[in-house]
Amino acid sequence: NAGVTQTPKFRILKIGQSMTLQCAQDMNHNYMYWYRQDPGMGLKLIYYSVGAGITDKGEVPNGYNVSRSTTEDFPLRLELAAPSQTSVYFCASRFRGITEAFFGQGTRLTVV
Amino acid sequence: QKEVEQNSGPLSVPEGAIASLNCTYSDRVSQSFFWYRQYSGKSPELIMSIYSNGDKEDGRFTAQLNKASQYVSLLIRDSQPSDSATYLCAVLQGGSEKLVFGKGTKLTVNP
Repeated sequence: NAGVTQTPKFRILKIGQSMTLQCAQDMNHNYMYWYRQDPGMGLKLIYYSVGAGITDKGEVPNGYNVSRSTTEDFPLRLELAAPSQTSVYFCASRFRGITEAFFGQGTRLTVV
Repeated sequence: QKEVEQNSGPLSVPEGAIASLNCTYSDRVSQSFFWYRQYSGKSPELIMSIYSNGDKEDGRFTAQLNKASQYVSLLIRDSQPSDSATYLCAVLQGGSEKLVFGKGTKLTVNP
């Protein structure tokens, strides 16, 4: 059981480039989340999904896109990367009901 | 008003003392509340969850929930240097499945 797997772990992007952060879970969880964490700050919700084909915006969705075609995968797309998107990105998943979320190991992204 | 607010840190306590961490939330229909611990450079990990008013104890940790006051807290008894970390309060908002976190409180336990 791998849990929540994020790839890559580190990435440097140039301004204006695009990339996809991958997130996969093997726990058959219904709900998946993307957060960003800036230095010394808490987690800000970018997007979340309550099931395949269903996504919704969080607190800071601008500059990002998501899709959820399967229960297992929830990729986060950055279009036209900006220095303000330099952050650590965490993916999390949880089962339905009043259950806790499990986190991936994070992706550290630097935009230069 | 921010959806989830935590008492501003950093918080520093001596070893063996009680550390008190506080959190308030704005969504009145929230039903589930979580405390996560995050060591520097690591992912958040769950410490406690609480769903009903009152206290919930697990070892040295006690979570307290007061839905009328929209307040949840975490007490760490007999604090140890290994408890030094950032503590994140999370609220599962009712109806939307949106899981929202506070800014976190950095705790340092001094030997």
